Amino acid sequence: ETGVTQSPTHLIKTRGQQVTLRCSSQSGHNTVSWYQQALGQGPQFIFQYYREEENGRGNFPPRFSGLQFPNYSSELNVNALELDDSALYLCASSFYTGSTEAFFGQGTRLTVV
Amino acid sequence: AQSVAQPEDQVNVAEGNPLTVKCTYSVSGNPYLFWYVQYPNRGLQFLLKYITGDNLVKGSYGFEAEFNKSQTSFHLKKPSALVSDSALYFCAVRDNPGTASKLTFGTGTRLQVTL
Repeated sequence: ETGVTQSPTHLIKTRGQQVTLRCSSQSGHNTVSWYQQALGQGPQFIFQYYREEENGRGNFPPRFSGLQFPNYSSELNVNALELDDSALYLCASSFYTGSTEAFFGQGTRLTVV
Repeated sequence: AQSVAQPEDQVNVAEGNPLTVKCTYSVSGNPYLFWYVQYPNRGLQFLLKYITGDNLVKGSYGFEAEFNKSQTSFHLKKPSALVSDSALYFCAVRDNPGTASKLTFGTGTRLQVTL
């Protein structure tokens, strides 16, 4: 176990709705990143938070947003859900220094119908 | 832009035989390279990383990887495969650790180990 926990594990939403996914980082880690893994694909970087600020974003529209809290836990919010948003959403925590690896949670499976 | 290629969608090997899962990368600077494994309905588990130093990196569960700068490759290897190694394997790269670090993943290689 990595110590990174995500909730919920599964979620079904209707197109156009909004969703919030949650992540608790591994103890001591100060950086959290979110990834989207579509079926049959590798994870795609959404964004990263360090010290409660976004400091890197992948090729995702603004309707994907996030928060990082003082205890380093994090939320991923997706507005105006589309069918293509159906995927496994992975949270990863790490130290900000570049040589360390990221530890992933078990993911949240989002299905948009 | 950084990228990773995993040329094989699936690798089949008999238990007890050596295995290799291939990965090539493209980065603008010095690469930080990683291998992760994913079991069904699970997140990613870290196996090993190359940052600097010895080109042969040893990781978890008996896996190792060889960094080859001239061939821009980072192949995952294991001397003797187990049925329990069957899973989805991802190679990932990070090329600018001083800024917003993000991992770029390959598309994954499914390893199937049979008796």
